[in-house]
Amino acid sequence: AQSVAQPEDQVNVAEGNPLTVKCTYSVSGNPYLFWYVQYPNRGLQFLLKYITGDNLVKGSYGFEAEFNKSQTSFHLKKPSALGSDSALYFCAVSGDNAGNMLTFGGGTRLMVKP
Amino acid sequence: EAGVAQSPRYKIIEKRQSVAFWCNPISGHATLYWYQQILGQGPKLLIQFQNNGVVDDSQLPKDRFSAERLKGVDSTLKIQPAKLEDSAVYLCASSFPGSEANYGYTFGSGTRLTVV
Repeated sequence: AQSVAQPEDQVNVAEGNPLTVKCTYSVSGNPYLFWYVQYPNRGLQFLLKYITGDNLVKGSYGFEAEFNKSQTSFHLKKPSALGSDSALYFCAVSGDNAGNMLTFGGGTRLMVKP
Repeated sequence: EAGVAQSPRYKIIEKRQSVAFWCNPISGHATLYWYQQILGQGPKLLIQFQNNGVVDDSQLPKDRFSAERLKGVDSTLKIQPAKLEDSAVYLCASSFPGSEANYGYTFGSGTRLTVV
């Protein structure tokens, strides 16, 4: 069975500082990895994905994520946090052996403070 | 392109009542998913359809939850009878099978259910 772990319930960062939101995964076959963001009372918005190729993936709103196969990780990063980045972030995994099923982590709340 | 449509946006019911949610996926997306997202948690897959067939319903509480996708397009998710712990946002998503790597999954805005 596939799974995703987001070890931090909440990440606090000062505005302008770099941020990292951690994610590790388990899946059979090659992983397809996704990050979604959720603002209050809103649906899930796609940020970025890794399917194959370059381990550093760039996405929306200046976010990027680094795929590390040996550590089975896909951490979300941003060089300089904005107050508007405060939201709930979800990492998700599917795979070429997973029947297209998308499995989510428990989410990490990002709080960016002025 | 139009997104995944869900209705209603909000629903409040008393425990032991019944409720149904509706989802219209993106045109051409043969795969449809229903997720349950309890407040503060990640979405949990309830059921996955491909066309009108069920691919995975292992996490669907079948004693009270049911879902159908009769014509392979729209889908309904029903809860009967509802319990307090069913309070959650119910998300519908769709994808083009085999193309998730390229086009990903598209989520609707969800239906927020409150059971009182």
